[in-house]
Amino acid sequence: QKEVEQDPGPLSVPEGAIVSLNCTYSNSAFQYFMWYRQYSRKGPELLMYTYSSGNKEDGRFTAQVDKSSKYISLFIRDSQPSDSATYLCAMSDPGYALNFGKGTSLLVTP
Amino acid sequence: NAGVTQTPKFQVLKTGQSMTLQCAQDMNHEYMSWYRQDPGMGLRLIHYSVGAGITDQGEVPNGYNVSRSTTEDFPLRLLSAAPSQTSVYFCASRQGIFVGEKLFFGSGTQLSVL
Repeated sequence: QKEVEQDPGPLSVPEGAIVSLNCTYSNSAFQYFMWYRQYSRKGPELLMYTYSSGNKEDGRFTAQVDKSSKYISLFIRDSQPSDSATYLCAMSDPGYALNFGKGTSLLVTP
Repeated sequence: NAGVTQTPKFQVLKTGQSMTLQCAQDMNHEYMSWYRQDPGMGLRLIHYSVGAGITDQGEVPNGYNVSRSTTEDFPLRLLSAAPSQTSVYFCASRQGIFVGEKLFFGSGTQLSVL
């Protein structure tokens, strides 16, 4: 079993919808949680970073970490066609390497 | 700044051939790494380096070699290409060795091994 599980989708929503993307993990030592966005044929880019538990908001994006349930979420409000991409969760203990989920493919239709 | 530059963008190899994927960054980053991305498998770490002269293995190192003679460059060598190495390869770097820092990715190299 991989340490990080993420539903690959695809997820299709209409423009303006609230999107919820999720990952679960098994390693209780994970402290650093990130979301990367990857457009087709491009490298991933960091979208959100959270340390330990709690919520973090940045514009239309909210990252949530629940360490007791080993569950992290990314919410996108007022989704736009430009949000269509693959979203990768990533997390780590205090080491060097990030553990990535497989990515969820999101399509926002006009 | 160009960021992280990978060459080539596309490559086709025959089984048994060797080649080097190039990666260069102009941000004076300490940490550099190579990932491969396969459908249904996500991003998997091949090798990483925490500074010039220091490299270590990641999750899937077999069949690949790396070296880091300068801060800027981190080439990935395929010794004897196999069809299982068909993948998209990403080089990534970050300022320091702290895992919580932002990783900057290159645009990828799509490799096909026939």
